[in-house]
Amino acid sequence: QQPVQSPQAVILREGEDAVINCSSSKALYSVHWYRQKHGEAPVFLMILLKGGEQKGHEKISASFNEKKQQSSLYLTASQLSYSGTYFCGNLEPPTTGTASKLTFGTGTRLQVTL
Amino acid sequence: DTEVTQTPKHLVMGMTNKKSLKCEQHMGHRAMYWYKQKAKKPPELMFVYSYEKLSINESVPSRFSPECPNSSLLNLHLHALQPEDSALYLCASSHPLRGPRLTGELFFGEGSRLTVL
Repeated sequence: QQPVQSPQAVILREGEDAVINCSSSKALYSVHWYRQKHGEAPVFLMILLKGGEQKGHEKISASFNEKKQQSSLYLTASQLSYSGTYFCGNLEPPTTGTASKLTFGTGTRLQVTL
Repeated sequence: DTEVTQTPKHLVMGMTNKKSLKCEQHMGHRAMYWYKQKAKKPPELMFVYSYEKLSINESVPSRFSPECPNSSLLNLHLHALQPEDSALYLCASSHPLRGPRLTGELFFGEGSRLTVL
């Protein structure tokens, strides 16, 4: 089962803030966030590890609630370049061998306007 | 070099054709992935190779056949595809989770857009 994101879509004016939520029915090992612009590949933004450690983007922050199996991405003072589709991803640790599995969430389309 | 290169960028094929998609990375990553993405949907995992061995197959039909000839290359062989297989096929690579690098951040190529007639 893929993580469910909300909202499905959001339109912001430049400078406004947004929160994107990601909720999983499976235990989250670590949470990835990616942004995909139209016609382009997904680009890594941030990873949140169990225990609260966070690695990633300078101007975008995120939280990870392991108990609730939820993560949120916070976009502050949005810029036009923030437009795109945001995906969370649940990274499952290897069950056999060394291969991990990243399952993407349902996605949130973000449009930033002037 | 932090690129994942996919060829071709666009491919049109008939249902009886045999074609291949290619992916190359030179970041020293030992995990490589194929994802399929339909319009306005998230990428769906198809296969994972770890240390050149097929580790995960997400119940993908046998008309898709992956191959990892070496640690830098990943192929996806296509045969007798159906029109519903038309999609963007994304290749990605990462360090495996084993060892000190525990992030597993995926680096994606720009994808191969496949149309099956």
